[in-house]
Amino acid sequence: KAGVTQTPRYLIKTRGQQVTLSCSPISGHRSVSWYQQTPGQGLQFLFEYFSETQRNKGNFPGRFSGRQFSNSRSEMNVSTLELGDSALYLCASSFSPGGRSQETQYFGPGTRLLVL
Amino acid sequence: AQTVTQSQPEMSVQEAETVTLSCTYDTSENNYYLFWYKQPPSRQMILVIRQEAYKQQNATENRFSVNFQKAAKSFSLKISDSQLGDTAMYFCAFRRGNTPLVFGKGTRLSVIA
Repeated sequence: KAGVTQTPRYLIKTRGQQVTLSCSPISGHRSVSWYQQTPGQGLQFLFEYFSETQRNKGNFPGRFSGRQFSNSRSEMNVSTLELGDSALYLCASSFSPGGRSQETQYFGPGTRLLVL
Repeated sequence: AQTVTQSQPEMSVQEAETVTLSCTYDTSENNYYLFWYKQPPSRQMILVIRQEAYKQQNATENRFSVNFQKAAKSFSLKISDSQLGDTAMYFCAFRRGNTPLVFGKGTRLSVIA
């Protein structure tokens, strides 16, 4: 099976712009989670989607949003970019049959976002 | 809230030697899962090993094994016969049910030839 894919892999934006990142989960996986990784804060959870519904949400401002499509692909959007949004954004998918957690999350290669 | 602590920011080991990375966690739950992930310089997060809390037997995956001490809330990773390709950041993580993964700060492991 193909792994989790994320596009784009690298992105450079300027303050005030918005950005959309995409994640395609492993085939058959219905849960997609997003994490932000920075040197200072480490790995922080953004949100999780299951069956097109947000199941969990982390402590990020409303500028960060996401959605999931019927094919389980997910996008996250960051509006009004700030310098502090520069980070590696990781997407992870897991099986979750019937909504139950299948505990293991498999990660994509990440999108490196640089905000200038 | 659950927390995960990795007390060793950096470690090094000679090639072919054995190294143990420490992890402790705090939870009041009885059923949960623990993981070790590896993040090499490519930044791809790779699952190394997982442990279900209800299983007493320690998980093993080839050269990787864990020492799971539930009462002590300790979950260490042992890497045997270390290889240069094991050089990476290693993250310990906790998950309960449908809640998000909670990660430790990571341990940077360098394998020296």
